[in-house]
Amino acid sequence: GAVVSQHPSRVICKSGTSVKIECRSLDFQATTMFWYRQFPKQSLMLMATSNEGSKATYEQGVEKDKFLINHASLTLSTLTVTSAHPEDSSFYICSAIWGRETQYFGPGTRLLVL
Amino acid sequence: GENVEQHPSTLSVQEGDSAVIKCTYSDSASNYFPWYKQELGKRPQLIIDIRSNVGEKKDQRIAVTLNKTAKHFSLHITETQPEDSAVYFCAASTAQGGSEKLVFGKGTKLTVNP
Repeated sequence: GAVVSQHPSRVICKSGTSVKIECRSLDFQATTMFWYRQFPKQSLMLMATSNEGSKATYEQGVEKDKFLINHASLTLSTLTVTSAHPEDSSFYICSAIWGRETQYFGPGTRLLVL
Repeated sequence: GENVEQHPSTLSVQEGDSAVIKCTYSDSASNYFPWYKQELGKRPQLIIDIRSNVGEKKDQRIAVTLNKTAKHFSLHITETQPEDSAVYFCAASTAQGGSEKLVFGKGTKLTVNP
């Protein structure tokens, strides 16, 4: 149990385009999911908390208009990077809470903006 | 907000030796402390966790200890094997409206030499 999937695993896009990343909990329902960004050889930095049926909560310094989050169902949260630029290139990972507080992570999406 | 410090940043041991990674946290209200293992390019995987009502927890070769008074917790890996080589992250939870938001340490790169 507690499997989280993410799609796509890798994406390359041109500067100025938008990219959508999906995060799914496959065998459980998750009212809360989290989106992280991880730069090479660095730790996981929380971007936002995604709550089913309500607006996401963004961490300080994260632009909510640039990183759009939609948690439309109990098994799906999406992150859209709008007007992507090279500095947005990173490893984006989602997680979902299973049980009371345990977070299980998706496999990540490697984004490269040219 | 919560701040988690993790040491050392790199650790190299010989196969069969023990490895210890230490973390400190700042928020005395934190009550959940998971440890994740991340191999290169892959998702973080939960290896063990501990809650504040317990001082120690063990799972085969892995153990975690928690000192709430001193606000520090440690990961102990005994009889290390080359496949234990990875980056290990500690984290502490800060409740956020019922959702347990994790704050991560900067990670420890463990290398187990055969």
